[in-house]
Amino acid sequence: NAGVTQTPKFQVLKTGQSMTLQCAQDMNHEYMSWYRQDPGMGLRLIHYSVGAGITDQGEVPNGYNVSRSTTEDFPLRLLSAAPSQTSVYFCASRKRGSYEQYFGPGTRLTVT
Amino acid sequence: GENVEQHPSTLSVQEGDSAVIKCTYSDSASNYFPWYKQELGKGPQLIIDIRSNVGEKKDQRIAVTLNKTAKHFSLHITETQPEDSAVYFCAASLPNFGNEKLTFGTGTRLTIIP
Repeated sequence: NAGVTQTPKFQVLKTGQSMTLQCAQDMNHEYMSWYRQDPGMGLRLIHYSVGAGITDQGEVPNGYNVSRSTTEDFPLRLLSAAPSQTSVYFCASRKRGSYEQYFGPGTRLTVT
Repeated sequence: GENVEQHPSTLSVQEGDSAVIKCTYSDSASNYFPWYKQELGKGPQLIIDIRSNVGEKKDQRIAVTLNKTAKHFSLHITETQPEDSAVYFCAASLPNFGNEKLTFGTGTRLTIIP
C-alpha cells in the first residue's frame, strides 16, 4: 500500500491564482481530512469528509473548497490564493471505527 | 470547542535520559488523546494513544498518562535515543460518534543530545 499520497510536494503561487492540492489513499478509508500546519499553531482542520459525496467544514475553512467523488480521492481547492494561505498542508485518512489517522507527506505552499 | 495547550515548546535532553511533554485540555467531555511524532519533512505519525477510561498506557520506551480530574495528559519517553529527535504533538477528541475531530496542541520540538 502506498498509504496517503499528496501532490505536489512544493508549490509557489501568486496572489489571486487558483490551484488544487491532490490527496489520494489506497487503504479504503471512509474518513479523509485536510489540515494546515503553521509555525507555533499546530495542525488545524480545514475540511473533512466521512465518505464519498459527504464533506463538512473544519476550524479554518474560508478560502478552500473540497469535494469527494470517490473513496480514494479528496482534493483541496484554493479559489483565489492569498499570502495568509502560505502553509504546509497535510491530508489524512482513517477507517470508520478507528481513531488512528494516517497522514500524507504534506504540500508546502507559498503564496507571494 | 476544545482547546489543547502543550508545554514545553522545545526540549533538549541528554541521550539516555527521560523526556516528558505535558498537555492540558479544556473540555471535560474529551475522551481520546493521541500523541503524534513528526520527523523533518514528513507527516505526523501516531505513536501512542489513550482513551478516557484508562489512566496509563505503555509501549516499550513510551508511556502516556491521563488525569481526567485535572484535564491533563503527558507523554513520557525513557532511555532516549537520537532517533527520538522530532516534533511531538498531542491532541484531544470529543466523543461525536462517526464524526470525531482532533484538536492538536502546538507541538514540542524534542532534541536528543548525543
